[in-house]
Amino acid sequence: QQQVKQSPQSLIVQKGGISIINCAYENTAFDYFPWYQQFPGKGPALLIAIRPDVSEKKEGRFTISFNKSAKQFSLHIMDSQPGDSATYFCAALVYGGSQGNLIFGKGTKLSVKP
Amino acid sequence: DSGVTQTPKHLITATGQRVTLRCSPRSGDLSVYWYQQSLDQGLQFLIQYYNGEERAKGNILERFSAQQFPDLHSELNLSSLELGDSALYFCASSARPGYGYTFGSGTRLTVV
Repeated sequence: QQQVKQSPQSLIVQKGGISIINCAYENTAFDYFPWYQQFPGKGPALLIAIRPDVSEKKEGRFTISFNKSAKQFSLHIMDSQPGDSATYFCAALVYGGSQGNLIFGKGTKLSVKP
Repeated sequence: DSGVTQTPKHLITATGQRVTLRCSPRSGDLSVYWYQQSLDQGLQFLIQYYNGEERAKGNILERFSAQQFPDLHSELNLSSLELGDSALYFCASSARPGYGYTFGSGTRLTVV
């Protein structure tokens, strides 16, 4: 079963706080784990991605933590800002596979309060 | 602008009708993917094409069909529309399967 489970469904964080979104996957063939950010009325946009050969990747205020043995990965947003308020999707795929279709989690709606 | 163009942006139609959604991939991208986004189901993969050939099928209804043309643009055809088909439909493209997805801004379909 190719599934990616994401939690929580919604998250409210104060400005300056840390936002944490978690995902778990089942298919051990997955080897590429991106996070997408979506604002209302827009398409999802790639935020940050990780391959399983590293346990953490950081880009600015955004960090992915990856636990291969637990088949889990998470997005941490440090110093959260009101402009980060959006829906975040984790996803997974077999990188470079013949199909390459992303399997998405159901999304987390993040609200950052000023 | 992501480089992936979807038209129309909005579409309102009646139940039982047929519509066509169009997607032009980013220049140089050979793969096109269609996704349906509804409030309770998140982003559901529908179908993927690579250089004109179907590569993968997801949760696509039999009433829906798609194709990718020689100029690489793709069309998603939705027929016998039902109220439950109301959703955002996204197209994404990548240079090769699985390498670097870019999404368009979507078509919002409302079936009344």
